[in-house]
Amino acid sequence: GDSVTQMEGPVTLSEEAFLTINCTYTATGYPSLFWYVQYPGEGLQLLLKATKADDKGSNKGFEATYRKETTSFHLEKGSVQVSDSAVYFCALDQTGANNLFFGTGTRLTVIP
Amino acid sequence: ETGVTQTPRHLVMGMTNKKSLKCEQHLGHNAMYWYKQSAKKPLELMFVYNFKEQTENNSVPSRFSPECPNSSHLFLHLHTLQPEDSALYLCASSQEDNGLGYTFGSGTRLTVV
Repeated sequence: GDSVTQMEGPVTLSEEAFLTINCTYTATGYPSLFWYVQYPGEGLQLLLKATKADDKGSNKGFEATYRKETTSFHLEKGSVQVSDSAVYFCALDQTGANNLFFGTGTRLTVIP
Repeated sequence: ETGVTQTPRHLVMGMTNKKSLKCEQHLGHNAMYWYKQSAKKPLELMFVYNFKEQTENNSVPSRFSPECPNSSHLFLHLHTLQPEDSALYLCASSQEDNGLGYTFGSGTRLTVV
């Protein structure tokens, strides 16, 4: 069945460090891929998405490229800020029918 | 404000109480969801409603009872809960087949004492 595997946290980085959070998926067909972010005390917010192979989603300095050959959608940011501290969830939507499969989440803490 | 509003934001209830969580969306979406988020556990999909019809119930105990009176409102009725039911309950909505993912509410932090 469809599934998403993302790196376990927690991840702790210093401000301005480079961030990578790995995400790989298992799916038949051509799913859409998403990153959601959850700030403390809040619900999940859509951070970025990509709907087909080689698409790059980007938002707020974060990027992720849909790599079909490696079935991956790794999240990256060149220079993190304290305000990026949150839990990040990778997700896939198999058929465009909005049946999202979520990863377990990766907690990021950025220290000044 | 994301477009999905959940009330209350926080709820403390005893094990013998009956309470309800409310979710409201005016995004024109036709699907709504309840998720449970517990510490150190993955997001758990509880219920799915498409066009007001329940289409999924992932083996949720009967002490949780959903209600979807129309496509904009979703309730989760709670009764005789257990302390292990303490969690963040998230509501989400989506437009089926648009591939744009879900819009989440801010959640209700439930504590059962």
